[in-house]
Amino acid sequence: QKEVEQDPGPLSVPEGAIVSLNCTYSNSAFQYFMWYRQYSRKGPELLMYTYSSGNKEDGRFTAQVDKSSKYISLFIRDSQPSDSATYLCAMRVGNNDMRFGAGTRLTVKP
Amino acid sequence: DGGITQSPKYLFRKEGQNVTLSCEQNLNHDAMYWYRQDPGQGLRLIYYSQIVNDFQKGDIAEGYSVSREKKESFPLTVTSAQKNPTAFYLCASTPGLANNEQFFGPGTRLTVL
Repeated sequence: QKEVEQDPGPLSVPEGAIVSLNCTYSNSAFQYFMWYRQYSRKGPELLMYTYSSGNKEDGRFTAQVDKSSKYISLFIRDSQPSDSATYLCAMRVGNNDMRFGAGTRLTVKP
Repeated sequence: DGGITQSPKYLFRKEGQNVTLSCEQNLNHDAMYWYRQDPGQGLRLIYYSQIVNDFQKGDIAEGYSVSREKKESFPLTVTSAQKNPTAFYLCASTPGLANNEQFFGPGTRLTVL
């Protein structure tokens, strides 16, 4: 079993839809949870970062962490074609190595 | 304009050849990392370096080597011992190991012919 599981998709939605992206994990010690966005043939860039459980909102993006279920989510409201990218979840324990999900490829159609 | 540069963008190699991928950063970051990205798999850590002249193996170091002679530079050599080297290679840096935001370079696509 992988430490971090993420459905690779692809996921295709119409413009304006609410998008839900998810990851599950097996290591209950993970404390820090990140979402990265990666455009085609580019390096990932950090979107959201959450410590422990709870919600965090930044514009159209909301990150949720449910440590009891070992489940994290990223919601994108009013999705735009420019949101089309691969979204990677990542998590870590303290100063240890970061663990990445496989990434979900999202396409938002105009 | 601060950031991380990787070169070349595309690289082709014949089987049995060693090849070196470049990674340079002008962010004054202490820690640097090399990842490999394959379809359907998360980024996997090859090597990381916390400080000049020191580096540690990641999860998949076999067939790779690195050096860290300067703070700004962390080149990765893919040796002929690496059984399946075709992949997208990403270099990243952070101010320190405890920092959660990793700054990534644009990547190098290596293809073995």
